[in-house]
Amino acid sequence: GQQVMQIPQYQHVQEGEDFTTYCNSSTTLSNIQWYKQRPGGHPVFLIQLVKSGEVKKQKRLTFQFGEAKKNSSLHITATQTTDVGTYFCAESGGSYIPTFGRGTSLIVHP
Amino acid sequence: DAGITQSPRYKITETGRQVTLMCHQTWSHSYMFWYRQDLGHGLRLIYYSAAADITDKGEVPDGYVVSRSKTENFPLTLESATRSQTSVYFCASSEPTSGIPYNEQFFGPGTRLTVL
Repeated sequence: GQQVMQIPQYQHVQEGEDFTTYCNSSTTLSNIQWYKQRPGGHPVFLIQLVKSGEVKKQKRLTFQFGEAKKNSSLHITATQTTDVGTYFCAESGGSYIPTFGRGTSLIVHP
Repeated sequence: DAGITQSPRYKITETGRQVTLMCHQTWSHSYMFWYRQDLGHGLRLIYYSAAADITDKGEVPDGYVVSRSKTENFPLTLESATRSQTSVYFCASSEPTSGIPYNEQFFGPGTRLTVL
């Protein structure tokens, strides 16, 4: 897999505020996956994006894959305390072996 | 339906001892993976396996040994544990779908290993 840089490393928000995490690569990605890990838990698959410019939504979560397939974002609208956790992006470069970004830890203050 | 399980969940050992972490999946997934997770490093791949009797190194394989005699099991052995191997270890499995790079990974609950 290729290297994906994920920013920010940490994000504090007040409950109800929006949150965005970004995943960037210097080379074209074949696909991007997003995972969520709750504190003390294990990573759980959220979604996979494959097509250039793809946008997918899951309730308050919006996932985007850049037109050039070099970046991706996860946006959460109106955060809730249940959104707390670390969000990872992962890419596999066309193989079945993903490389994970370092993750963005979301802290939601009630 | 257990899915993917890991044992033990917690382990404390001493430097130089051999430790084996177990991973078992009930889905008959072809691919299995071992990751370690350390603060600031995210998930780093140690070893992976594409099928029974087929294993390959990941990003950080030194000091670890794996085997996969059966599809459902993928044990990870630390031959001589070192303090730097203190970490949380996750096992995962996936089943590719032909035609698209579909490789959603299903993770086990993790093993927290402390090497004193």
